[in-house]
Amino acid sequence: EVQLVESGGGLVQPGRSLKLSCAASGFTFSDYYMAWVRQAPTKGLEWVASISYDGGSTYYRDSVKGRFTISRDNAKSSLYLQMDSLRSEDTATYYCTTGLLKGFDYWGQGVMVTVSS
Amino acid sequence: DIQMTQSPASLSASLGETVSIECLASEDIYSNLAWYQQKPGKSPQLLIYYASSLQDGVPSRFSGSESGTQYSLEINSLQPEDEGDYFCQQSYKFPLTFGSGTKLEIK
Repeated sequence: EVQLVESGGGLVQPGRSLKLSCAASGFTFSDYYMAWVRQAPTKGLEWVASISYDGGSTYYRDSVKGRFTISRDNAKSSLYLQMDSLRSEDTATYYCTTGLLKGFDYWGQGVMVTVSS
Repeated sequence: DIQMTQSPASLSASLGETVSIECLASEDIYSNLAWYQQKPGKSPQLLIYYASSLQDGVPSRFSGSESGTQYSLEINSLQPEDEGDYFCQQSYKFPLTFGSGTKLEIK
């Protein structure tokens, strides 16, 4: 059974940092592009970043470019999102998800990040 | 960026009815379009990919189609469990973009 379990969320002050982790199991992690998708409270879905199979290519939405870093450790079947210089508009539930061209086929349960003073 | 214009924002339909949700891409995305369902408090679930391919385990009452840059999700024989939010998403070009969503209520 495929499982994606996010962790690392919480309440953080503007300008501070937070690192999200996603532990994957039930599939061959290195065979999948991975991504982070977020959803602000009562809002729609927003793609944040994607990473290629071996981590050699990364892609970001403009609003997080230079502040967020997506990475992966295939030996540990884990995905990460380092979030620096956090802003109030980054407040959202962050989902770890698999895939790219065929859509995002597996999703974690999500982890809440609240940026507030 | 590719804009995905989704409509309607909400709709209400009765059990057994058929409904359709539309997404208009701002440029050609060559069928790289996925549909998701999200129930309250839950993670999104992939329904359709490549515009019309049904994801494993998804009931056959869900179907997708396309006409140019217009993409449609049709749900036949509405069931109570179909209530939720639906989103389209293009996977043709970065940044990947979603439609704004459609809230489906079952009367």
